[in-house]
Amino acid sequence: DSGVTQTPKHLITATGQRVTLRCSPRSGDLSVYWYQQSLDQGLQFLIQYYNGEERAKGNILERFSAQQFPDLHSELNLSSLELGDSALYFCASSEGSGANVLTFGAGSRLTVL
Amino acid sequence: AQKITQTQPGMFVQEKEAVTLDCTYDTSDPSYGLFWYKQPSSGEMIFLIYQGSYDQQNATEGRYSLNFQKARKSANLVISASQLGDSAMYFCAMRELDRGSTLGRLYFGRGTQLTVWP
Repeated sequence: DSGVTQTPKHLITATGQRVTLRCSPRSGDLSVYWYQQSLDQGLQFLIQYYNGEERAKGNILERFSAQQFPDLHSELNLSSLELGDSALYFCASSEGSGANVLTFGAGSRLTVL
Repeated sequence: AQKITQTQPGMFVQEKEAVTLDCTYDTSDPSYGLFWYKQPSSGEMIFLIYQGSYDQQNATEGRYSLNFQKARKSANLVISASQLGDSAMYFCAMRELDRGSTLGRLYFGRGTQLTVWP
């Protein structure tokens, strides 16, 4: 157990729908990162939050949004889902100091039918 | 340009042998960090080893060592005495230290699938 909790582990939904992925970072970690892993794109950085504030944005589609709450958990909202959004979505957290190693959650596997 | 390049889609090694997984990186930033992660078939991403750009010595963690050649911009992972449980996808990653901050994102390579056979 890495200490980073992601729910749900698996999610199957239809095109056009909206889903929310949830992430609880490791205790004490202030920074949360979201990554999307697909066969054709590899590991793509989506967005990062640090202590509640958005810090960096990567290849995140406009249909996707995220936030980090005061208790530091984070949610990634995916809307108007398309078949190509099927992927493994990782949340990672870090304390924000030293080497700042990212600790990954087990991922949420999204299948869009 | 790709920040991280892993040119070996797949590698095979016999149990108890050593194996080197290649990684080259591209950055103009003098300060950066290099990471290796392991992803078994179960899917989780497991941190293995870290090397800072100013670290004088190559990083080692148990059976893992990082062969850091700064001039060549390479950061190869060496796994000694391979075990069947080492079979997994291995990812090289880099963070550029923006004004010394270690908060930046990690750029990942496409990975190398390592298979260890008995």
